[in-house]
Parts: sequence; structure tokens; C-alpha cells
Amino acid sequence: DGGITQSPKYLFRKEGQNVTLSCEQNLNHDAMYWYRQDPGQGLRLIYYSQIVNDFQKGDIAEGYSVSREKKESFPLTVTSAQKNPTAFYLCASNIVWTGDNSPLHFGNGTRLTVT
Amino acid sequence: KQEVTQIPAALSVPEGENLVLNCSFTDSAIYNLQWFRQDPGKGLTSLLLIQSSQREQTSGRLNASLDKSSGRSTLYIAASQPGDSATYLCAVSAPNYQLIWGAGTKLIIKP
Repeated sequence: DGGITQSPKYLFRKEGQNVTLSCEQNLNHDAMYWYRQDPGQGLRLIYYSQIVNDFQKGDIAEGYSVSREKKESFPLTVTSAQKNPTAFYLCASNIVWTGDNSPLHFGNGTRLTVT
Repeated sequence: KQEVTQIPAALSVPEGENLVLNCSFTDSAIYNLQWFRQDPGKGLTSLLLIQSSQREQTSGRLNASLDKSSGRSTLYIAASQPGDSATYLCAVSAPNYQLIWGAGTKLIIKP
């Protein structure tokens, strides 16, 4: 079955350490996204990529970095510069049509706790 | 700046009732509106997508409506079941195709 796989499900890190969250999709989708979800708030876009080797900052990109070397993979690195990294991180993908977008498919998320 | 609001933040109803979840947005210049379901500790599942030219979409017991002029969408769930318990989120697509999200309504269906 096609889908999006995020790993690990839970991640614990000490403050000051960089950490990389994995996102892999086998849906053959061009576009991939990273969102952050905090309690009581809507999802906030961190980075997105519509094509291999290209990506754009979302609304809250500071302290994060990404790469898109393969169509299937879009890893997110949470750096020590991110002031409040503890959150639930969601990866998503979709097909981007001209003038519109298709429904998003989501992974099951990674819960990151930094102490 | 587009803002999306979902009220109430939480809702508890007895099994079998029909119910309506609300989503409002401030800018009518949208391409589409999507409703998602999120189970605790999980990712989101797309339920319905309404294009800006459409008034409603239906899938099984779910019906979503869209009124761009008033900046409102509703998600109607018929004959609710305990398995419908989840958080329901709506999102509107901005002119740059990115999504603006509501904070969600947590729905509990009591057996």
C-alpha cells in the first residue's frame, strides 16, 4: 500500500543537539511538506518542496533545515537554533496541479521532546 | 491575512445524533477548503475537499458545505458513532496554494 512513513514515532533529545526527522513516501507525489502541531493551534508550515532539489521556507522555518535529494524523501533537521522545538511534527505530500492542489496525505507524525 | 477559526474547540454528543462542525475564514479568495480527521497521536486523514466553485461534497455519512461569501463551511455528520470520535480540522488554500489551518474541534461521541 502507498503511504507516508515518518520515523521515529517518538524522539527525545537534549537541548543544544541537532536532530533529523525522517519522511519517506511511495505515492509518487511531487510535493512534500513539513508541519508543526502544537496544542490548541492550527498546523504551521515549516518547509515545503514541489520538486526534487528545490524547497521553500514556510511560515516558521527559523531553526529548521531540509533537503530534497530524492522524490521519495524529505528529511527535516531541527537545529539547536530552534528556540522551542518540543512539538508534534507532521510530514505530508500531494500532487500539485496547475491552479489547484489535491488532498494532502499525512504520515503518522513524530513527537519530539527536547529537555 | 487569512485566518481560520473552528468553534467550538470541543463537542460531546450522544451516539446516534446528527451534528454540525463549523469552520469560518476571513478571506473569501480561496481555491478550496478541506476537512480532515485526526485520531490521538496520529497523522491527519483527508475527509472531503470542496473546490471554490462547489457548494458541497458528500462522502457516506459526511456532508461538507461551503459558502465563500459568508466565509463559512460546515461538516455535517449523520447518525454519529463512537468511532467518529476524533479531532476534525479544516484548512483553506491560499492563493499561493498553501493551506491555512483551523485549530480543530475535538469531537467525543458517547455510547
